[in-house]
Order: sequence, then C-alpha cells, then structure tokens
Amino acid sequence: DAGVIQSPRHEVTEMGQEVTLRCKPISGHDYLFWYRQTMMRGLELLIYFNNNVPIDDSGMPEDRFSAKMPNASFSTLKIQPSEPRDSAVYFCASKYGTGFGEQYFGPGTRLTVT
Amino acid sequence: AQSVTQLDSQVPVFEEAPVELRCNYSSSVSVYLFWYVQYPNQGLQLLLKYLSGSTLVKGINGFEAEFNKSQTSFHLRKPSVHISDTAEYFCAVSDGNAGNMLTFGGGTRLMVKP
Repeated sequence: DAGVIQSPRHEVTEMGQEVTLRCKPISGHDYLFWYRQTMMRGLELLIYFNNNVPIDDSGMPEDRFSAKMPNASFSTLKIQPSEPRDSAVYFCASKYGTGFGEQYFGPGTRLTVT
Repeated sequence: AQSVTQLDSQVPVFEEAPVELRCNYSSSVSVYLFWYVQYPNQGLQLLLKYLSGSTLVKGINGFEAEFNKSQTSFHLRKPSVHISDTAEYFCAVSDGNAGNMLTFGGGTRLMVKP
C-alpha cells in the first residue's frame, strides 16, 4: 500500500483565500484523523471520522474550518477565509478498527498564509 | 481531561551513548500511552505503546519505555543511539475511546552527534 497520501505537500496562499487540503487514507481503514502542528501549540487533533461520519470536531478552531469525507477513500479540510495564524503543518492519519491500532500518518501539508 | 508533558524540548547526545526522553501524563481515567517518532519532513510513526500488562514495553529500533503509574510517567529509553535516531519524539495518551483519540505532548527533539 502507498500509505496515507496528502496533497498538496506545500501550499502558499494569501490571507483571505480559500485553501483545500486533501487526504487519501489507507485502503480498508475506517478511521480518519486531521491534525495540525505548530510550534506554539504542538500537535492538535482537529476532527476525526469513522466510516465517513464526523465523530468529534471539538478541535476545529472556528467556523472558518470545515472537513468532509464524501467516501472511504477521500477527505478534505477546507479553510475559508485563510489567515496568517493558520500557517502550520496539517497531517492526516488513518486507522483500522476500534481499539488501539496504530494511526498511520501522511507526510503532511505545510501551509503558509501570507 | 488528560494532558502530556514532555519535560525536555531538546536532548543532545553523542552517538552510542544511552538516552532517556521524559514523559509525564495526567488523566482522570485509565490511560493508554504511546510514543511516536517524526523524522524530518515526514509524518509520525508509532514506536511503541502501553495498553496493559508488563510495565516495560519494547518497540521498534531498539527503543523501550517503562510505565510508572505512581509517578505518572512513561519515559522512553535507548541504551545506545545512532545518528539515524535524530528526530522528534512525541509522547501521547488516550483515554480509551473507540476512535483512540490521542493527546500529544509538545515533543522532544533528539539530536545525536557523532
């Protein structure tokens, strides 16, 4: 398997623009997680899905952020409008089954908002 | 609520020397503990996990960790480090929810010098 795939790997955009980050989980995995990593706040869970349904979005910072999972092989994280403080590395991870199986992380998308 | 504290943001060490990366947690319920490693420009990878049973847990790449309930600690150790161990290490805790939501510490950058 190719692992978790994220695109783009790098994104530079201007404040106020819409940004869409994409994730393809490992085939067969039924959990998908979106994380954000910054120097100030470390690694934070934003939202996670089970069988394409959002389960917990308490980590989503504000209404400017939204996430969808239209099918088992694709998820998006959208920021609209983007702000400089959204600059971070965004990771997607997937997992199979309930319990304590490993979360497999993608390589991340480095977002810079100027 | 649960939290994780990694006491050292950076740990420099010479090659072939032993190393210990410290992690303390707080949780009001049963805890399940993890160590992840992040190599430069990559996503996180699971090193080891403690769920129950023996308090000494062995992981990949020669790492091990010891769960100490009385001290609420889960320190990571390796008897002899290699240059290739240079990376960021994250301690994480889960309260056992079905999705295995993880709360991460701030990370410790291990810098192995020749």
